[in-house]
Parts: sequence; structure tokens; C-alpha cells
Amino acid sequence: EVELVQSGPEIKRPGESLRISCQASGYLFVSYWIGWVRQMPGKGLEWMGIIFPRDSDTRYSPSFQGQVTLSVDKSTNTAYLQWTSLKASDTAIYYCARVPTTHYAMDVWGQGTTVNVSS
Amino acid sequence: EIVLTQSPGTLSLSPGERATLSCRASQSLIASYLSWYQQKPGQAPRLLIYGTSTRATGIPDRFRGSGSGAHYTLTISRLEPEDFAIYYCHQYGNSPGFGPGTKVEVK
Repeated sequence: EVELVQSGPEIKRPGESLRISCQASGYLFVSYWIGWVRQMPGKGLEWMGIIFPRDSDTRYSPSFQGQVTLSVDKSTNTAYLQWTSLKASDTAIYYCARVPTTHYAMDVWGQGTTVNVSS
Repeated sequence: EIVLTQSPGTLSLSPGERATLSCRASQSLIASYLSWYQQKPGQAPRLLIYGTSTRATGIPDRFRGSGSGAHYTLTISRLEPEDFAIYYCHQYGNSPGFGPGTKVEVK
């Protein structure tokens, strides 16, 4: 069974750093992109970017370029989303999803990681 | 930058009725990169349609996607109780992104 399992909820202070994870199983990790999507409280979906695990080719939305970093660890089939200095406006649910190279839709989703940034 | 607009914002219908959801882009899209998602409260989104009209695995045939150029449609032929949710269109191409969503609610 294809599955993406994300790390647990986080409560952080503004200015702190954070890395959340997305572990894949049930398919060849290096052959599909992994995408990240933000959903702020009560709002819609925002496409953040995608990363190709085979070579770490990364494409960011202009809205998130420079604000977050996507990375992968091929040895553990895990993708990461990282911040160096969180802001209150980063409070959201973050989803990872598998993205096939054939159509770039997000066909399998993780359960989401809630990040709460508050002083 | 391509902007997606979805209409209506909210669709109030009864079970058994037909739902027609629109997704318009600010410029022509690559049809093979147009997809639709369903999201229910407290759940992750679920892929319904990719490549404009191909149903994802396990999606019932009452869901149909169509369109070309800058205008795309998701049609639910007969609403089942589990179909009341928010629906998002998404395009991957020039500046990938999601539309703002259409909420399908019980009338």
C-alpha cells in the first residue's frame, strides 16, 4: 500500500527553526516528486513546491521561495520541509503528497502536520 | 502568473441533484496538468480527476471532468451524501497553484 506518514504536531515560538517530515512507503521513492501544500486555518490550499528525490531537483512557488527549504533523505525514503525562523503567519496544516511525473497531480497525500507558531 | 478562479463559491444542492463546478484560468492551461481534489472537514484532500478528465483510482464514475483552454468543469452527476465537501482545481504548469475552492453544501 502506498502511504505517506507525516510527523506529529508542533508548537513553536516565533524565530525558532523547524523541520517536519514525510516518510514514504509502498512505492519507489526516487521515481516520484514529493509536493508540499499549506492550508492556513479556515483557508484553501496553497502549493508550496515539489522535490524530486532522485536528484533533489526542487521547484518552489514564488510565494515560498526563500521562506522554506525542501529536502529528502533517500536512505530513509523521507522528505522534509524546513524553516530557519518561524513567523506566526506560518501557523497552518502542512500536507505532503506524491506527485507522478506523468501528470503532476497529487495522487497520494499524507495526513498533514499542524504547526502552531505563537509567542 | 496564472490565477485560477472557481465558481460558484458555494453550491447548495440536495442529494441526487447534479453539481456543476467551474474552474477558470487567467490564461490557457496545459490540459494534462489540470486536476481536481475533494476535501472534507478535518481530512487531507483527495485526488478525484487528473489530466482534465481521468478519474483517479477508486473514484466513482459520477465524477466527470472536462474542459480545455482556460475553462474546466467538474460535474457530479447525482450527489451522494458523502459528496458534500469543498472542491479545488489545481494546475501544474506556469506558476502552479490551486483555485480558491467551491463548497458543495446540503440545501
